[in-house]
Amino acid sequence: GQQLNQSPQSMFIQEGEDVSMNCTSSSIFNTWLWYKQEPGEGPVLLIALYKAGELTSNGRLTAQFGITRKDSFLNISASIPSDVGIYFCAGQLGAGGTSYGKLTFGQGTILTVHP
Amino acid sequence: GAVVSQHPSRVICKSGTSVKIECRSLDFQATTMFWYRQFPKQSLMLMATSNEGSKATYEQGVEKDKFLINHASLTLSTLTVTSAHPEDSSFYICSAGRGNYEQYFGPGTRLTVT
Repeated sequence: GQQLNQSPQSMFIQEGEDVSMNCTSSSIFNTWLWYKQEPGEGPVLLIALYKAGELTSNGRLTAQFGITRKDSFLNISASIPSDVGIYFCAGQLGAGGTSYGKLTFGQGTILTVHP
Repeated sequence: GAVVSQHPSRVICKSGTSVKIECRSLDFQATTMFWYRQFPKQSLMLMATSNEGSKATYEQGVEKDKFLINHASLTLSTLTVTSAHPEDSSFYICSAGRGNYEQYFGPGTRLTVT
């Protein structure tokens, strides 16, 4: 089956620094989604990407859908303490067949921000 | 918009009993809901896809007779863990699909089986 490789596994940064994380896949996805999860909570959707090459921002967050459709990255600028959490990428095939709507998740990136 | 709730948030049960977890989309209708399981410091593992009015589709290795899923309406799906055992202890999370691609997650249910 499809696998997503997310890196880095963890990051320890100082407040104010920029952060970059990425996901690569062995096969093509039609949609890429980025989620943030805090302890004891469900993931919260940050950014959704629908087209190859698409670059989308949400406040201090910027994500891009790779041209090959096999990768995506997420950047966080000027990090703040509340950015702490686990960030997951997820790929989706999209419409059609038994895999419709199903998400494949990356392993997650644990972000720690020191004040 | 796009709020998904889960109930209960935490449950402790004895081995051999059954536990029902509810997942509701509060401000949108979801023809498809998904159930995930997450172990500590690990990613989410899809257990099953739940479609309103039809039988759930289970992922390989997930026992459908143990994890009963019912999607009775466009805003409610339930997961029942039958004859629970300690190894079923986990964090169970549901999500609801809106539109073609977006999934919104519930806050999760922490199940502890003693």
